[in-house]
Amino acid sequence: RKEVEQDPGPFNVPEGATVAFNCTYSNSASQSFFWYRQDCRKEPKLLMSVYSSGNEDGRFTAQLNRASQYISLLIRDSKLSDSATYLCVVRAQDDKIIFGKGTRLHILP
Amino acid sequence: NAGVTQTPKFRVLKTGQSMTLLCAQDMNHEYMYWYRQDPGMGLRLIHYSVGEGTTAKGEVPDGYNVSRLKKQNFLLGLESAAPSQTSVYFCASVGASGSLYEQYFGPGTRLTVT
Repeated sequence: RKEVEQDPGPFNVPEGATVAFNCTYSNSASQSFFWYRQDCRKEPKLLMSVYSSGNEDGRFTAQLNRASQYISLLIRDSKLSDSATYLCVVRAQDDKIIFGKGTRLHILP
Repeated sequence: NAGVTQTPKFRVLKTGQSMTLLCAQDMNHEYMYWYRQDPGMGLRLIHYSVGEGTTAKGEVPDGYNVSRLKKQNFLLGLESAAPSQTSVYFCASVGASGSLYEQYFGPGTRLTVT
């Protein structure tokens, strides 16, 4: 089982819709969780950290469920500029930082 | 403030040749990471370092070696390049442990092995 798993998509979503991604991780000792965004052939950029109580940043909401070992990202009122690959990232106790394969999102006009 | 830089940006190697990729950061970060990304794939961790003089294996370490002789530099070596090592290589650094600390990435090195 891969350490971090995501649905690769693509998710084709009309502009203005709400879309949600899930990610599961296998290492129960994982300490920190993040969502990164990657645009084609560019380096990943941090979208948001994921806190145990859940957190929101504008149109983006992240949730963590430690018992079930999954992380989610919700995007509301999606924009064309949200089209990208969303990477789930997990940092373990030994500071190893592992990426999921990413979920591709296409926002349709 | 340059952040994380990678040298070179592009390189073409022949099978069996060797090369070293350089990652440099000017943020005084303790932790540094090397990843490779193949088409349609996420980033896979090759090796990482939690401080000067230390290195550790990641998910796909075979065929690569690393060194962290200076805190600001993390070198990735390919002793005998193979076509399977054709990839985009990203370096990243992090200031400290914890969810408050994001990874800062370099722009990537595009390597082709023929």
